[in-house]
Amino acid sequence: GAGVSQSPSNKVTEKGKDVELRCDPISGHTALYWYRQSLGQGLEFLIYFQGNSAPDKSGLPSDRFSAERTGGSVSTLTIQRTQQEDSAVYLCASSNPVGRQPQHFGDGTRLSIL
Amino acid sequence: GENVEQHPSTLSVQEGDSAVIKCTYSDSASNYFPWYKQELGKGPQLIIDIRSNVGEKKDQRIAVTLNKTAKHFSLHITETQPEDSAVYFCAASKGATSGTYKYIFGTGTRLKVLA
Repeated sequence: GAGVSQSPSNKVTEKGKDVELRCDPISGHTALYWYRQSLGQGLEFLIYFQGNSAPDKSGLPSDRFSAERTGGSVSTLTIQRTQQEDSAVYLCASSNPVGRQPQHFGDGTRLSIL
Repeated sequence: GENVEQHPSTLSVQEGDSAVIKCTYSDSASNYFPWYKQELGKGPQLIIDIRSNVGEKKDQRIAVTLNKTAKHFSLHITETQPEDSAVYFCAASKGATSGTYKYIFGTGTRLKVLA
């Protein structure tokens, strides 16, 4: 597809379980970003990738959160031992080149922790 | 720390009237300011952006102004239509000067255009 693709679109899981969220950026975009949007709130930055490296991971809220990117393309955000406060929409964006162009967002994964 | 304040949080206007949303940023090194429109259940979509070397930019019914001295930027929508109803977010970025291209977002403005 032409846009940023995220999967799953919705995820419901029990507290304490691990979850993996996937992002397929726009083809050729070297920069990839993860943000979190809590209900009715703005977007909170989590992590930025340039290629497979993460020069800025300052927004990850705890060591339960991690992310990787392989082949300069697909990225996975993993949340271990989920807590109820992790419930939010997780948005992925990509841009080219290197971020001087605007970020294009996917439709997000809505994560609900029971 | 870095912060972007956005006002108002909600805005109702009559169809055909203008809407103005204002943002203030804290980091004077910010040099890029995008605006996004988010519809229910969708990701944010870029509607207009402005760089720090420009004071104003217009695209049809949408315009953005930037006052670097006051660290203010504003979104102006003229001749509003019902399809303009959505949540609008402003953001600020320092770009290459900080080694990261992350955006700092405002808390959003829910715009309702009344037919």
